[in-house]
Amino acid sequence: EDQVTQSPEALRLQEGESSSLNCSYTVSGLRGLFWYRQDPGKGPEFLFTLYSAGEEKEKERLKATLTKKESFLHITAPKPEDSATYLCAVQASFNKFYFGSGTKLNVKP
Amino acid sequence: GAVVSQHPSWVICKSGTSVKIECRSLDFQATTMFWYRQFPKQSLMLMATSNEGSKATYEQGVEKDKFLINHASLTLSTLTVTSAHPEDSSFYICSAYYGQGSNQPQHFGDGTRLSIL
Repeated sequence: EDQVTQSPEALRLQEGESSSLNCSYTVSGLRGLFWYRQDPGKGPEFLFTLYSAGEEKEKERLKATLTKKESFLHITAPKPEDSATYLCAVQASFNKFYFGSGTKLNVKP
Repeated sequence: GAVVSQHPSWVICKSGTSVKIECRSLDFQATTMFWYRQFPKQSLMLMATSNEGSKATYEQGVEKDKFLINHASLTLSTLTVTSAHPEDSSFYICSAYYGQGSNQPQHFGDGTRLSIL
């Protein structure tokens, strides 16, 4: 069964405390893996696309990596403004998209 | 680039009213648009997928006659909640995607908060 699982559900960090969010997937025919950030009351904001194992993308304090079974979103020295829910989505065969349930990140000053 | 505009952002109306929500891709042509519903503290629930010029494909359990979707052009899709009732109150989000068969992400609008009194 195709599915995407994100962990942890929630993560509390102190400002400056680096950590990683996990997105594991089992889908047939991975075509792309996408990371989004969602703020309360807003739609998801696109962050990264990863296409193949070994690929990495970076943007400011965020770095996304991809293996054959999972993706990590590494957050280096986070700031309170990085607090949000981070969603992972996978595009599989026949243009089907599968979304994870998200990780809610709270960065305390 | 890849901006999706969704209107209105907030609607409050009486039970029995029909409500139309618009989703526009501003700087690209969206071959496919998706409509989602999101409950508090939960992830996105796909309601339907619409391709320009054809009928929408609804997910299991979503009432086609309650949630009417029209995708008349490559930049506009609408969701009409017909005869809305309090249980239809929710956060509705659209997304647009270009290039069927390509490995592109969905780009999302900012959502519509629907409150039915």
